[in-house]
Amino acid sequence: KQEVTQIPAALSVPEGENLVLNCSFTDSAIYNLQWFRQDPGKGLTSLLLIQSSQREQTSGRLNASLDKSSGRSTLYIAASQPGDSATYLCAVTASGGSNYKLTFGKGTLLTVNP
Amino acid sequence: AAGVIQSPRHLIKEKRETATLKCYPIPRHDTVYWYQQGPGQDPQFLISFYEKMQSDKGSIPDRFSAQQFSDYHSELNMSSLELGDSALYFCASSLPGTYNEQFFGPGTRLTVL
Repeated sequence: KQEVTQIPAALSVPEGENLVLNCSFTDSAIYNLQWFRQDPGKGLTSLLLIQSSQREQTSGRLNASLDKSSGRSTLYIAASQPGDSATYLCAVTASGGSNYKLTFGKGTLLTVNP
Repeated sequence: AAGVIQSPRHLIKEKRETATLKCYPIPRHDTVYWYQQGPGQDPQFLISFYEKMQSDKGSIPDRFSAQQFSDYHSELNMSSLELGDSALYFCASSLPGTYNEQFFGPGTRLTVL
């Protein structure tokens, strides 16, 4: 059974810092990996999707990397802003078959202080 | 751009009542997923549909059922509600050929009293 772990569980940084969030998964046979952002009590916003054949994806100040063989992904946020404060969730889709359910980690709660 | 629509956004029910949650996927998306997120928990997969057929089933109680209609919208029916069913229920949709990037709706917050 796929298990996804995210560390740290919480992170507090001053505005302007660069930071890295970590995600690991136990079964390397994944189809893709998605990073999401969730504000308290709100829905999930897709930030980046990395296909299993890719090593990284970039969107603005965000860069996500994937090392499938070691079962790890990182989300790098450059020049953090208070508006980046949210919970960041990592989720993977298993490869094979036609079922693409997401298995989530428990998230990293990020607080960016002005 | 159009997003996933869920209704209602909030729902309060008594124990043993029934509830119906609706999901309208992004236009042209033919796959719908339902997830349940309990307080302080990560989202857990319940069930999914592709082209109106059930494609996968997760930890969905037998008291729950779901279907996808000809216009691709989906409904999650929940009966004999229990206090533990209180959660955020998310619907997500995806489009074939996009590596299954899933786009989530705002969720329905169900409170069972």
